[in-house]
Amino acid sequence: IQMTQSPSSVSASVGDRVTITCRASQGISTWLVWYQQKPGEAPKLLVSTASSLQSGVPSRFSGGGSGTDFTLTISSLQPEDFATYFCQQTNMFPFTFGPGTKVDIK
Amino acid sequence: QVQLQVSGPGLVRPSETLSLTCTVSGASVRSPTHYWSWIRQSPGKGLEWIGYVYYTGSTNYNPSLKSRVTISVDLSTNQFSLNLSSMTTADTAVYFCARDLFSSGWKGLDSWGQGTLVTVSP
Repeated sequence: IQMTQSPSSVSASVGDRVTITCRASQGISTWLVWYQQKPGEAPKLLVSTASSLQSGVPSRFSGGGSGTDFTLTISSLQPEDFATYFCQQTNMFPFTFGPGTKVDIK
Repeated sequence: QVQLQVSGPGLVRPSETLSLTCTVSGASVRSPTHYWSWIRQSPGKGLEWIGYVYYTGSTNYNPSLKSRVTISVDLSTNQFSLNLSSMTTADTAVYFCARDLFSSGWKGLDSWGQGTLVTVSP
């Protein structure tokens, strides 16, 4: 299953609302996970099963979608949110990742 | 608090076998709901799932690497390991170990090691 993300990068300001899109090449129900990765660090799990926020993840993050189209929204961007975001499908092996969306400072 | 620590060489010669070990603390590799995984990341290929091992020794590998990969678990040391044979420059990447949660479905990699850069060079 091929995963694509758009945009590949976005420049935004603190307080902005940012939405990232992830698309699967075939239906994956809600078996979609989102990660955040900062430079030099391992990815961090943010959202599982498309919309379930991990414990400790701020409520400004939200995930949605099902089938082939998914979104990750940051309602009010904070300085610590500047990072790269990846989606991953966990519906079928081999699990595959999207290419990432880099969120940087405008 | 779960911690995963990768250890192994940073430089591998072409055609040789890469051996990495992941030491788990704060959790047991005997967990019935977790699978112990390897993932790699390179500028050219992005994030790539390599495979996992379950505490029973059961494994699942990415077909693109299956002929060269072995992942194993050591219950006595609470570690799991990756062997990747016939290394080429295309295998140069940061290698991560991670824990995958299975609970009525695959819920994602919820704990990661720090990652180690492996360079393949003569």
